[in-house]
Amino acid sequence: GQNIDQPTEMTATEGAIVQINCTYQTSGFNGLFWYQQHAGEAPTFLSYNVLDGLEEKGRFSSFLSRSKGYSYLLLKELQMKDSASYLCAAQDSNYQLIWGAGTKLIIKP
Amino acid sequence: DAGITQSPRYKITETGRQVTLMCHQTWSHSYMFWYRQDLGHGLRLIYYSAAADITDKGEVPDGYVVSRSKTENFPLTLESATRSQTSVYFCASLDRLNQPQHFGDGTRLSIL
Repeated sequence: GQNIDQPTEMTATEGAIVQINCTYQTSGFNGLFWYQQHAGEAPTFLSYNVLDGLEEKGRFSSFLSRSKGYSYLLLKELQMKDSASYLCAAQDSNYQLIWGAGTKLIIKP
Repeated sequence: DAGITQSPRYKITETGRQVTLMCHQTWSHSYMFWYRQDLGHGLRLIYYSAAADITDKGEVPDGYVVSRSKTENFPLTLESATRSQTSVYFCASLDRLNQPQHFGDGTRLSIL
């Protein structure tokens, strides 16, 4: 079956760094997406990885290892506004997105 | 304004009633999707459409009907609502595969 695993909840301190892990098992693979979702709002796109390695976008970076079925989202210089859920989604051979349940990130001052 | 809009934002109805959730996008994206989001679950795909007049079932299609007579509209109908369909519903659109999906603001549906 197809499956995405990510931690349910994480807590971090303002100004620190946090890494949110995601492991996936899909029928074929065409890329890995990360989305941010604030409470009561729609998911918004953060990053996309299809090749192995690290993609950096300002304070946010995303890493992919296709051989290990593993990705992580790295958030640096955490701000209170980063408190949100982070959704990992893998695209299978039919280009369908398989979604994780999301990681709720709590930022403490 | 260009974008993807859902209506209504909030809806309360009773079991057995028919309810239609609307989704409209102004980008002329080919692909459109309907998801439901429940606590403890990821986004679950209900139906999707690759183009006008082309629709297909997703992971959880039972109890739902869709149509896509025009590229920009993708309504979702619950023919006879049940309490288990209480959820937050998101519509999304996509121009090309391997591009990110863009989401509407969601419809919070409560069925009493």
